[in-house]
Amino acid sequence: EPEVTQTPSHQVTQMGQEVILRCVPISNHLYFYWYRQILGQKVEFLVSFYNNEISEKSEIFDDQFSVERPDGSNFTLKIRSTKLEDSAMYFCASSEGTGEYGYTFGSGTRLTVV
Amino acid sequence: KNQVEQSPQSLIILEGKNCTLQCNYTVSPFSNLRWYKQDTGRGPVSLTIMTFSENTKSNGRYTATLDADTKQSSLHITASQLSDSASYICVVTMLSGTYKYIFGTGTRLKVLA
Repeated sequence: EPEVTQTPSHQVTQMGQEVILRCVPISNHLYFYWYRQILGQKVEFLVSFYNNEISEKSEIFDDQFSVERPDGSNFTLKIRSTKLEDSAMYFCASSEGTGEYGYTFGSGTRLTVV
Repeated sequence: KNQVEQSPQSLIILEGKNCTLQCNYTVSPFSNLRWYKQDTGRGPVSLTIMTFSENTKSNGRYTATLDADTKQSSLHITASQLSDSASYICVVTMLSGTYKYIFGTGTRLKVLA
């Protein structure tokens, strides 16, 4: 069954450093998403991406965050200057369409900012 | 405010027993409701999806119900197995210009041998 692949599975970084989280969505999917889950809390929406541009973003997705689809397969989330409160599990998801189409989530990247 | 509340927060049951998890939502306009299973350290995996007109949807030992009038849903797990130990998340899709997932807080289920 097709999967969404995320790398790395775990990243530790120092506060103030830049990190790039990588995702390979399912090949025929058109919509891409990033979510995060702080330990013990619910999953939160960060951003959705369609047709090579951001279609929607949440309040969490401030100027420190950016997304990119540098080629036909990868979808990245960059955090420019990490803060302690950025420590969370980051999930990438993709879908064929919207509405009735479900999302397929990756296994996540656990980001620890020290 | 668009919210999805789940209960109980956590649940411990013995292997072989049944259990029911609850979801109440105040999301509007409503598009559909999904139940996801999330194993520790993994991404959520979809179990069921129900639209406004559907009352019940089954997937193996998982049966979800939806009452769109009272805005309540439940997930019933029959003959639980150790592998059912996970968090179960209720997700409501809202249609507001674009479709948006509203996640519940989840119920953490532990099945003991």
